[in-house]
Amino acid sequence: GPKVLQIPSHQIIDMGQMVTLNCDPVSNHLYFYWYKQILGQQMEFLVNFYNGKVMEKSKLFKDQFSVERPDGSYFTLKIQPTALEDSAVYFCASSLIRTGGERLFFGHGTKLSVL
Amino acid sequence: QQKVQQSPESLSVPEGGMASLNCTSSDRNFQYFWWYRQHSGEGPKALMSIFSDGDKKEGRFTAHLNKASLHVSLHIRDSQPSDSALYFCAARNYNQGKLIFGQGTKLSIKP
Repeated sequence: GPKVLQIPSHQIIDMGQMVTLNCDPVSNHLYFYWYKQILGQQMEFLVNFYNGKVMEKSKLFKDQFSVERPDGSYFTLKIQPTALEDSAVYFCASSLIRTGGERLFFGHGTKLSVL
Repeated sequence: QQKVQQSPESLSVPEGGMASLNCTSSDRNFQYFWWYRQHSGEGPKALMSIFSDGDKKEGRFTAHLNKASLHVSLHIRDSQPSDSALYFCAARNYNQGKLIFGQGTKLSIKP
């Protein structure tokens, strides 16, 4: 089936550094999402993105976070600077359209460890 | 307040048995409900959706929606060890892209 690829699978960085998480969404999908999961528990919505713009974001999407997808390449989540509480697994997802009945396809996640 | 609540937190079912998972929403704007399953080390994968009152069956999985009470359930018959995973109920408005997840139910199928 359709696959979302996330690179890297694990990233370790020091607090205060910048980190970029990369996502290669399903090829014909138009809507992109980031979710945060701590300790294998609840999936928390961060942001969704369409046509070069942030459509919706949650309170967890702090000012230090940014997303972009330059020229149809990777969809990226950048955190600058990182904080200890940013340690989590970050999941990228994509969908073809935005209606409620459309499923999201998720990647396997990037585990971010902030030391 | 958590907008999508799931119960139980964890559930253990013998192989071949029936697993029943529950979900309640506190937001009447949610019109679309999904069940996702997450195996360890992977991302969530959509199992099935339900938008209309009543039952929807897909193979061994049956979802039930009661719009009046905003209650959704998932029943897995003839449970297999491969069904052991974290199950999420998720909900969405008709005009919003974001999918809101419950806190998950950890299902263990005992051989």
